This record gives sequence, C-alpha cells and structure tokens, in this order.
Amino acid sequence: GAVVSQHPSRVICKSGTSVKIECRSLDFQATTMFWYRQFPKQSLMLMATSNEGSKATYEQGVEKDKFLINHASLTLSTLTVTSAHPEDSSFYICSAGQGVAYEQYFGPGTRLTVT
Amino acid sequence: KQEVTQIPAALSVPEGENLVLNCSFTDSAIYNLQWFRQDPGKGLTSLLLIQSSQREQTSGRLNASLDKSSGRSTLYIAASQPGDSATYLCAVGRRQFYFGTGTSLTVIP
Repeated sequence: GAVVSQHPSRVICKSGTSVKIECRSLDFQATTMFWYRQFPKQSLMLMATSNEGSKATYEQGVEKDKFLINHASLTLSTLTVTSAHPEDSSFYICSAGQGVAYEQYFGPGTRLTVT
Repeated sequence: KQEVTQIPAALSVPEGENLVLNCSFTDSAIYNLQWFRQDPGKGLTSLLLIQSSQREQTSGRLNASLDKSSGRSTLYIAASQPGDSATYLCAVGRRQFYFGTGTSLTVIP
C-alpha cells in the first residue's frame, strides 16, 4: 500500500516557540491531506484539511492562526504550531488518500511535548 | 456533523475466544468505513477498508461488515490472540475521516 511519512516522530519544545511537522506521501501524489490530533486516552479529532495550492480548511474550534498549514506540493504538507503552549502537547497524525475509494493512509504520527 | 460511537469502550477476553466490536455512525452519507488498530503510544495500522457499496471485507482472522442504512459496522475477530491486544478504532467519511471513541481490547493468555 501507499506510504505516508511524518517528521519528526517526537519533538520537545519550550513554551512560546514554534514547531513544524512535515507530512509526506512517498509514492503517490496527494492533492489533499488531513491533519488530526489525539489527546491522551482520546480518539483522533480532525483539525484541518490541507489543499495543495490553496488555503487549508479548518474544523470548528481549531485556530487557523495558531496551526498554520502549508501544502506547497503534491507530496508535502506542513503543520506549524505557533507559540506552542503545554496544552498543545498531543499526538499529531496526518493522512492522505488516493484513488476513487479514498482509502486513507496515515502517517506514523508526531508526539509533541511542550514544556 | 458525523458522530461515531464504539461499543464496548473496553473488552477483556481469554485467548482463543471469538469477539465482536461495534461501531455506529449518525450520517449514512459516507464513502468508506475503515477499521484501525492502535498500539499504546503508536500510530494507526489499517486493518480493513469497506467501501460504501460493499457489505463486508475479510482479512485473515478479521471480518468487518457494514450496514450503511442502519449506520452500523462490526469487526469480528476470530480465535483471539494476546497479540491482538490494542485499541481498535473505526472511522467513517467521504474524504476526511471521523473517528470513533475506540475499543480497548485485552486478550488474556
């Protein structure tokens, strides 16, 4: 099946700094990628839809100025958590789909810890 | 907005037992339903994908069914093994997915 990678897998940063997470589709092109967030012992929540060449679409309650999404190419989407705070500590996962069936391929996730 | 519920939230069974995990969703206008497993602290492993036109999919000891009209899916695990212990998530959607709350499965040796 298709492969989606994320980098980094783990990151620890200080409060107030910004962190960039990359999501890449390695063997297929994805015009759309999705970003999810998972808090401890909770399920995944969709944050935003990343569209290549256009602005991202954010879910209700997600601050677009805090979670900056850039989808510069058909194989790369980035999520930047700006001015991170401890409450932003979470597991961030991206996904991308291909084909008519829209099967979603998920990245391995990025564990963000803000101290 | 789509809401996805999974029952039970937790399940503990002895090794070798067959078991069923349930998933229900409120909006039947979906393209796909996908079952995943997630090990503690890890990402998602896709188990089965059912397209909206299909009623079931099978892979090894796993069988997933979909009844779109009633908004339900089940994941059947045959002859459970300790290695099956994980959290199982179902997700439904058209392109973006909405996830259920998960079932934490423990298979006791």
